[in-house]
Amino acid sequence: ETGVTQSPTHLIKTRGQQVTLRCSSQSGHNTVSWYQQALGQGPQFIFQYYREEENGRGNFPPRFSGLQFPNYSSELNVNALELDDSALYLCASSEGPLSYNEQFFGPGTRLTVL
Amino acid sequence: SQQGEEDPQALSIQEGENATMNCSYKTSINNLQWYRQNSGRGLVHLILIRSNEREKHSGRLRVTLDTSKKSSSLLITASRAADTASYFCATDHNTDKLIFGTGTRLQVFP
Repeated sequence: ETGVTQSPTHLIKTRGQQVTLRCSSQSGHNTVSWYQQALGQGPQFIFQYYREEENGRGNFPPRFSGLQFPNYSSELNVNALELDDSALYLCASSEGPLSYNEQFFGPGTRLTVL
Repeated sequence: SQQGEEDPQALSIQEGENATMNCSYKTSINNLQWYRQNSGRGLVHLILIRSNEREKHSGRLRVTLDTSKKSSSLLITASRAADTASYFCATDHNTDKLIFGTGTRLQVFP
């Protein structure tokens, strides 16, 4: 078990709604990365936050937004939910933003959009 | 888009056998990492190999990297039922962001 926690564990929403997912990073980590994992696929990078600033973004529309707090916990917000947003959302924390910093993943939030 | 592709997509073996899975990627990298995921849960980091390294070991794991062929392999020796999981390679293609492959689903039968 890593020290990264995510809430909620499961969530069911309907199309057009908005959702907020939360992630608590491991102690001593200042970087949080968010990933979307569709069923049977590998995780896809959404964005990364380093010391409360966005530090890179994947190929996701602006309705995916995030925030990092002074304690380095983070939120992922998705507006105007679509059916294809149904997926496992993973956050990972690390000691820094560089790719060689080991990422510690949380257990994920499974989002279902009906 | 996915940077890497693992091969095979699925692999079934008996306990005690070795499991080999391969990863191919498309652009140059600084490092390549392998992760394990149990039943749609969070990923666990297994090993990182830098672009100037050719082979790395960690316990029963052996990773090789061939940058000329843009490929890597993960070997799990003397597999156990507890090794049943999906295995992903992740590359950085010279950025600080990890791009994951499509994964290999490994089933180890007791």
